[in-house]
Amino acid sequence: TQLLEQSPQFLSIQEGENLTVYCNSSSVFSSLQWYRQEPGEGPVLLVTVVTGGEVKKLKRLTFQFGDARKDSSLHITAAQTGDTGLYLCAGAGNNDMRFGAGTRLTVKP
Amino acid sequence: GAVVSQHPSWVICKSGTSVKIECRSLDFQATTMFWYRQFPKQSLMLMATSNEGSKATYEQGVEKDKFLINHASLTLSTLTVTSAHPEDSSFYICSALVARALMNTEAFFGQGTRLTVV
Repeated sequence: TQLLEQSPQFLSIQEGENLTVYCNSSSVFSSLQWYRQEPGEGPVLLVTVVTGGEVKKLKRLTFQFGDARKDSSLHITAAQTGDTGLYLCAGAGNNDMRFGAGTRLTVKP
Repeated sequence: GAVVSQHPSWVICKSGTSVKIECRSLDFQATTMFWYRQFPKQSLMLMATSNEGSKATYEQGVEKDKFLINHASLTLSTLTVTSAHPEDSSFYICSALVARALMNTEAFFGQGTRLTVV
């Protein structure tokens, strides 16, 4: 059962464009993480958000946690080809972690 | 960040044989580890939750007798694919939770194991 709904599932854009990926749930999470996975490798943690309304920036990536701690967004400014990958959001509950289905981003040169 | 090491990174085996995959937490103790399966261009599918010193908890539809999980110590969990068949070919990934602080739990992943059954 997917507790986290990610959208869009697939996204193909040109280099230099901006994009936003959404992660929504009906559940409240104590924290939410965003991961990026490249083919043939394990996911790598990008950021953890804990406080409702929190905004974190990682270079061209901006992460926001919803006020109610049920949703989050990832915004990439001026996408580069190196941003291509599978982006996963994950919510931590009581000693478990559930993942969204992922957003597969392709940035074309 | 915490380091999770998975071994082997790839394995090819004959149909009918068994394959063991190891997942180690290198610089922390992990009472709970997770095993995922990932098909090409798809997301992670949780197979089971591995608990140190007790039986694993399997997700619906995952055969516990086929995918044997052992978590004998706080730093090692193993997944054994028994009597492997070509349809078991996939990318298997483990992860462990690290409690950074109150209300902040993060997952760290192994590098993944590409299993090919021929």
